[in-house]
Order: sequence, then structure tokens, then C-alpha cells
Amino acid sequence: EDQVTQSPEALRLQEGESSSLNCSYTVSGLRGLFWYRQDPGKGPEFLFTLYSAGEEKEKERLKATLTKKESFLHITAPKPEDSATYLCAVRWRDDKIIFGKGTRLHILP
Amino acid sequence: KAGVTQTPRYLIKTRGQQVTLSCSPISGHRSVSWYQQTPGQGLQFLFEYFSETQRNKGNFPGRFSGRQFSNSRSEMNVSTLELGDSALYLCASRGGTSGYEQYFGPGTRLTVT
Repeated sequence: EDQVTQSPEALRLQEGESSSLNCSYTVSGLRGLFWYRQDPGKGPEFLFTLYSAGEEKEKERLKATLTKKESFLHITAPKPEDSATYLCAVRWRDDKIIFGKGTRLHILP
Repeated sequence: KAGVTQTPRYLIKTRGQQVTLSCSPISGHRSVSWYQQTPGQGLQFLFEYFSETQRNKGNFPGRFSGRQFSNSRSEMNVSTLELGDSALYLCASRGGTSGYEQYFGPGTRLTVT
């Protein structure tokens, strides 16, 4: 079954403590892997698109990487305002799209 | 540019009723997708419209339907509401068939009692 799995489900970090979120996928015919940030009560906010293994994208304290079966969202020296749910999505053959269930990130001051 | 707008933001309906939700995409975007978000299932794809045609459909019953107008605005309809339809319904737009990044609206919170 085609799946997108995110881990961990939840993560609590101290301010400044770097870490990584994982998104693994089993779909074939990848057309793009997307990362979104979602704050409570709001719609997801687009962060990155990755298309091929080896690709990397960076934005402020966030860096997304992609391999053939997984993607990582690295958070360097996070701040409390980085607290949110981070969602991963995969678009694959026939333009279908599957979202992971997200990682709830909480940065403690 | 104005973002994706959705109306209404909150809605309370009774089981058995029907509901229509509206979405206005970013100006110039021709593709609109709809998603259902619940705590247990996460974000699940409902359907996508491009230039008034349904291009893709998720695994939801026929009670869920949608349409897109010539100005790219879209509506989603749910008939014979069930308690399990309570969710946040999100609309997202993107620039075209080759522009895969989606931009989401704030959602409509539907509560079915």
C-alpha cells in the first residue's frame, strides 16, 4: 500500500537544540515531495518542494533533504516560534497526493 | 496577491442536512483541491479541479462532490451529513498542472451534531 509516514509524532526540544524530522514514503513514480508548516487553527503553509534524490532546500533555520525513500527536515538552533505541526506530502503517478500525519514540534524557551 | 479564501469559516449542521463550502483561489491559479483534516486521519485528499474539470478524486463516498466555475472559484458539497463528517475542510490552489506547490486557505470548520 502506498504510504507516507512521518516520525516522530511529537517532538519537544529546548530552544537552540537542533534536530531532524523524518518523512518516509513507499510510493513509486515520485513527482514531488512537499513540506508544510501548520499552526493551530490555520491552513498549512508551503515550505519546500523536492523533486529528486540528493536535492536540498534551505530557508532560515530549516533545511529539507531527499533520498530515494525518505526526506528529512533539519531544524537548526530552533526558536519557540518554530513550534508548529510539520506536514510532509508526496505527489506521485496519476498526480495523486498523500499527506503524512505530521510531526508536532514544540520548542521550549 | 491575496491568498486563498474560504467561506464560511465555521459551520454547524445537523445530521442528515447538506452543506456547501466555497473557495476562492489565488488570482491566476486555475487548480483547486479540497482536503478533509481530522485528528485521527490527518489530511485526506477529496478532489482536484482544473479549468472546471475534475482531474483527480480521493477515496470518499459520493456524498462528497464539488465543482469549479469559469473564474476558478470552487464549491464543495456534502449531502446527508454524518457525525463523522465533522472536520476542517481545506482548499488549496496551485498555478497549473506543472506547478505542484499548493497554497492553502484557512479552512472551514464543520461541526455536525
